[in-house]
Amino acid sequence: EIVLTQSPTTMAASPGEKITITCSASSSISSSYLHWYQQKPGFSPKLLIYRTSNLASGVPTRFSGSGSGTSYSLTIGTMEAEDVATYYCQQGSSLPLTFGAGTKLELK
Amino acid sequence: QVQLQQPGAELVKPGASVKMSCKASGYTFTNYNMHWVKQTPGQGLEWIGAIYPGNGDTSYNQEFKGKATLTADKSSSTAYMQLSSLTSEDSAVYYCARGDYDGGFAYWGQGTLVTVSA
Repeated sequence: EIVLTQSPTTMAASPGEKITITCSASSSISSSYLHWYQQKPGFSPKLLIYRTSNLASGVPTRFSGSGSGTSYSLTIGTMEAEDVATYYCQQGSSLPLTFGAGTKLELK
Repeated sequence: QVQLQQPGAELVKPGASVKMSCKASGYTFTNYNMHWVKQTPGQGLEWIGAIYPGNGDTSYNQEFKGKATLTADKSSSTAYMQLSSLTSEDSAVYYCARGDYDGGFAYWGQGTLVTVSA
């Protein structure tokens, strides 16, 4: 099983601040199979970035993703209040599919 | 547009079983895997398994073998998950999600909150 370790677990950011969340995999993953989701309280997870760096439909361009092998990251270029949520990475490379434990992003 | 409709909540007694549904629309049901994901506050998101409605093939997370059974009805474009021998540890929100070819999930149901209580 591929374990995904996210860092940090929680963080608080001010509006306009740049945010980076990392996702470390226990085994190398093709970048085609690493995805990021945003989940707001009371809602289903929403696909944010697919295949490491591709923005899902309707996602603001302040979001970006990068990485390869075992190290991936999600960046918010300038924090906005609406970005308060929990973010998860997920690998679709091998079964069982797995998610990171999540990073809770709060507003400072 | 793609939609996955799930009932909002189920209340079940310990030891009982529950069968929850996920009705798909807006795409060809038999062409995509349907996945199920469990979410609890303490455990985050856990992949339960998937079914390919085209031929009924299933894959399960070892952690859920014997607990979850996935089926699909092509005539109604509905996927089902049955959970058996329920305990308090099965209380959670269960999502269905359409699987994409890269192993990601672009479409999710609203989730079914299962509460196991006497």
